[in-house]
Amino acid sequence: EAQVTQNPRYLITVTGKKLTVTCSQNMNHEYMSWYRQDPGLGLRQIYYSMNVEVTDKGDVPEGYKVSRKEKRNFPLILESPSPNQTSLYFCASSLTGVHEQYFGPGTRLTVT
Amino acid sequence: AQKITQTQPGMFVQEKEAVTLDCTYDTSDQSYGLFWYKQPSSGEMIFLIYQGSYDEQNATEGRYSLNFQKARKSANLVISASQLGDSAMYFCAMREVDNFNKFYFGSGTKLNVKP
Repeated sequence: EAQVTQNPRYLITVTGKKLTVTCSQNMNHEYMSWYRQDPGLGLRQIYYSMNVEVTDKGDVPEGYKVSRKEKRNFPLILESPSPNQTSLYFCASSLTGVHEQYFGPGTRLTVT
Repeated sequence: AQKITQTQPGMFVQEKEAVTLDCTYDTSDQSYGLFWYKQPSSGEMIFLIYQGSYDEQNATEGRYSLNFQKARKSANLVISASQLGDSAMYFCAMREVDNFNKFYFGSGTKLNVKP
């Protein structure tokens, strides 16, 4: 089944404790992206990747890191999480940058 | 300035009636794409419809159509014959091809379909 998977689905952590949210797709898509969703703000792009080893900042990259060492994986790293990073996070992929995106199920992160 | 504006935070529609969800966008790019996504209460994001900036015809996908008015920079979603399962959040989004394919989403419209 073609899909985008994210892990974990739910995470509660404390300020400053490094964490990684994994994202994987099995559709051989070139383009992958991370978003955060906050009430009243819609989805905002954090980082995106056009292909392996190519990443770029979206609208809200501060406090996040990403890497794209393999085509299928695009992990999101929070080196020192803060409470304002409490949010619902979505990973998405598309065949190329010009196609529609397919979204993972979301990761709900709470930073206390 | 907001790239995508959805001015209707919430809407009600009677089952079997048509409804239009508004979306305006702001870009100086010549090449861009417009998308609509549905987010049910279960949380997943579902792609509905796409319109390219150079497409002359309005996009249609089943009961969904996109009313694309380029000069007005609007890309309204029309849902015909509403069903109870259409109750969800709807997001308009834009990809700026000339701007490294960055994506922008609106704040969403919550649609409630009444029986």
